[in-house]
Amino acid sequence: GEDVEQSLFLSVREGDSSVINCTYTDSSSTYLYWYKQEPGAGLQLLTYIFSNMDMKQDQRLTVLLNKKDKHLSLRIADTQTGDSAIYFCAAPFSGGYNKLIFGAGTRLAVHP
Amino acid sequence: EPEVTQTPSHQVTQMGQEVILRCVPISNHLYFYWYRQILGQKVEFLVSFYNNEISEKSEIFDDQFSVERPDGSNFTLKIRSTKLEDSAMYFCASSGDRYEQYFGPGTRLTVT
Repeated sequence: GEDVEQSLFLSVREGDSSVINCTYTDSSSTYLYWYKQEPGAGLQLLTYIFSNMDMKQDQRLTVLLNKKDKHLSLRIADTQTGDSAIYFCAAPFSGGYNKLIFGAGTRLAVHP
Repeated sequence: EPEVTQTPSHQVTQMGQEVILRCVPISNHLYFYWYRQILGQKVEFLVSFYNNEISEKSEIFDDQFSVERPDGSNFTLKIRSTKLEDSAMYFCASSGDRYEQYFGPGTRLTVT
């Protein structure tokens, strides 16, 4: 079945770029998602990319998709302290849409 | 901006008791979901619901669980006889087009 893996922790200096990586196993994944969770809050849909794209840019966020290697990354430019959160990668199970499979989440710590 | 709401934010119950977790999805959305996150573990899919019926459920979603859309605005998850291992954060999500799932802030369920 589908599995999604992420590194658990990333620490960056304020103003630098952050790159959060994710790998997934199901090559039939149609869309791939990034969610953000701030302390005590729910999962906020940050952005997503359709599987026939290799890049999507949305203000400070850039999503890169390498379909051959089943690798997804989220780049945050000019990282701010407000970006400190847990970032989850998610992929739909077996190419469908209903059931999202989540990675364990990457905790991003931004320090001055 | 419309958002998914959930009540209560925290529910404490005794083992064996029934609980109902409530969600108000985004108003024009047609697809509804429940996920849960046990402390320290990944977010897991429980069930999806469309057109007044379950469209998909995971193996976690056994006979102790049920979902209902009792009126045009609420979506509920009932756990008939809670167990200690049901303690988790429960997230409701809704989608208008199946591609984007918007999550609520979650209900923390503690079973004692």
